[in-house]
Amino acid sequence: GDSVTQMEGPVTLSEEAFLTINCTYTATGYPSLFWYVQYPGEGLQLLLKATKADDKGSNKGFEATYRKETTSFHLEKGSVQVSDSAVYFCALSETNAGKSTFGDGTTLTVKP
Amino acid sequence: EPEVTQTPSHQVTQMGQEVILRCVPISNHLYFYWYRQILGQKVEFLVSFYNNEISEKSEIFDDQFSVERPDGSNFTLKIRSTKLEDSAMYFCASSESGLSQPQHFGDGTRLSIL
Repeated sequence: GDSVTQMEGPVTLSEEAFLTINCTYTATGYPSLFWYVQYPGEGLQLLLKATKADDKGSNKGFEATYRKETTSFHLEKGSVQVSDSAVYFCALSETNAGKSTFGDGTTLTVKP
Repeated sequence: EPEVTQTPSHQVTQMGQEVILRCVPISNHLYFYWYRQILGQKVEFLVSFYNNEISEKSEIFDDQFSVERPDGSNFTLKIRSTKLEDSAMYFCASSESGLSQPQHFGDGTRLSIL
């Protein structure tokens, strides 16, 4: 079945550091890929998405490129802020019903 | 921006009791979902619902669980005879359509079984 593997956390960075959170997936077909962010006490919010190979999703300075050859969708940001501290989930959706399969989540803490 | 709303935000129930978790999806969305997140663990799919019927469910979604769209706005998850291991955050989500569309999540209901 489908699965998503995320880089283990937690990740602690200083403000303005470069961020990479690795995500690889296993799927039988051609899934859509997503990154969601969860702030403390809140639900999941879509951060960015990509629906086909070589697509780049971007939002709020975050980027991720759909790499079919390496089955990866790594999240990057060039300069993190304290406000980026949250849990980040990589997810894929493959079925027509849109069910999403999530990775374990990576907790990011950015220190001033 | 329209959002998915869930009530209550926290539900405390005695083991063996029935609970109903409520959700109001975004009004023009057609697909509805329930997920759960046990503390410290990953978000797990429970069920998807489209056109007034279940379109997909996980192995977690056994006979103890049921979903309903009783009117044009609410989407509910019922858990019969709750168990301690049902304690988790339960998230409702909706999307305009299925494949390739992002899901919009509510803030969740924290269910605590005593």
